[in-house]
Amino acid sequence: DGGITQSPKYLFRKEGQNVTLSCEQNLNHDAMYWYRQDPGQGLRLIYYSQIVNDFQKGDIAEGYSVSREKKESFPLTVTSAQKNPTAFYLCASSTSGMSSYNSPLHFGNGTRLTVT
Amino acid sequence: KQEVTQIPAALSVPEGENLVLNCSFTDSAIYNLQWFRQDPGKGLTSLLLIQSSQREQTSGRLNASLDKSSGRSTLYIAASQPGDSATYLCAVVMDSNYQLIWGAGTKLIIKP
Repeated sequence: DGGITQSPKYLFRKEGQNVTLSCEQNLNHDAMYWYRQDPGQGLRLIYYSQIVNDFQKGDIAEGYSVSREKKESFPLTVTSAQKNPTAFYLCASSTSGMSSYNSPLHFGNGTRLTVT
Repeated sequence: KQEVTQIPAALSVPEGENLVLNCSFTDSAIYNLQWFRQDPGKGLTSLLLIQSSQREQTSGRLNASLDKSSGRSTLYIAASQPGDSATYLCAVVMDSNYQLIWGAGTKLIIKP
């Protein structure tokens, strides 16, 4: 079955450590996105990539970094510079460019990151 | 700046009732509006997408309407079931830059 796999489901880190969240898709989608979800707020875009080897900052990119070396993979690194990293992180993909236009977003099941 | 609001934040209704979830937006220059469902601790699943030129879309027991001029969309769920319990989120795609702006969601609980 095609889909998006995020791993791990839960991640615990000490403050000051960098951590990388995995996102893999086998939908053959060109565009991939990383969102952050906090209680009581709408999803906020961290980074997006419309094509391999290219990515752009979203609304809250500070303290995060990404790479897109393969079409299937879009890992997100949460660096020690991110002031409040504890959150639920969602990866998504779509067939077309920015924000899906007319093609719905497909989401992974998320990674809950807790930093203490 | 576009703002998307979903009120109420939570809703609890008995099984079998028809119900309406609300989504409002401040800037009517949208390309489309999308409704998603999120189960606890999971990702989002796309439910319906309404183009800016459309008035409504239907899928099974779900019907979404769009009134662009008044900045409102509703998601109607007929004959609600306990399995409909989830958080429902709406999002608009902006005409200007195709950016997706999200509401915070309505958490729906259907009581058996």
